[in-house]
Amino acid sequence: AQSVTQPDIHITVSEGASLELRCNYSYGATPYLFWYVQSPGQGLQLLLKYFSGDTLVQGIKGFEAEFKRSQSSFNLRKPSVHWSDAAEYFCAVGWMDSSYKLIFGSGTRLLVRP
Amino acid sequence: NAGVTQTPKFQVLKTGQSMTLQCAQDMNHEYMSWYRQDPGMGLRLIHYSVGAGITDQGEVPNGYNVSRSTTEDFPLRLLSAAPSQTSVYFCASSYRRLAGVDTQYFGPGTRLTVL
Repeated sequence: AQSVTQPDIHITVSEGASLELRCNYSYGATPYLFWYVQSPGQGLQLLLKYFSGDTLVQGIKGFEAEFKRSQSSFNLRKPSVHWSDAAEYFCAVGWMDSSYKLIFGSGTRLLVRP
Repeated sequence: NAGVTQTPKFQVLKTGQSMTLQCAQDMNHEYMSWYRQDPGMGLRLIHYSVGAGITDQGEVPNGYNVSRSTTEDFPLRLLSAAPSQTSVYFCASSYRRLAGVDTQYFGPGTRLTVL
């Protein structure tokens, strides 16, 4: 069965520190992947996406993610976190098997210390 | 463009009542979907549609019905509301790729409470 795992429920980092949020998926078909961000009481906004090509993708707000097929992972990174990055982050994965299902992880809440 | 609109924004129901959550998009997207968001569980796919007249079940379809008579509209019907359906519901739409879906655009959400 298709599944997406974000193993960290909460992460706290200091402002200016680097950040890595983890995302793993399972299922055999070729995946395509997204990271979304949700601020409190808001809808979801796309940060970046990967369908094919260069496995390191750049997104908005200085975020990047790397697709590692061998590890079934798509981790999100940012070199220097700003207080405004505090939010909940969701990884989403679809599979190119004509199912058209997009499965979200359970989310990681990022807290930023001043 | 209004994007993805959802009505109502808030709703309180009694157990056993039925209701329809409305979703509309004006971007001519083929793909539309409904998710529910519960604390600690992320977004779970309820139903989705790849075009008018075509719908399919997601991860948690029980207790919900959908139909897609037009490209623009994708209503979600709760047949007999239960407290377990208390949640925030998001509608989303996107273009459909050859295999899969592209960036999803989300509505503002409907907060539903079932007493």
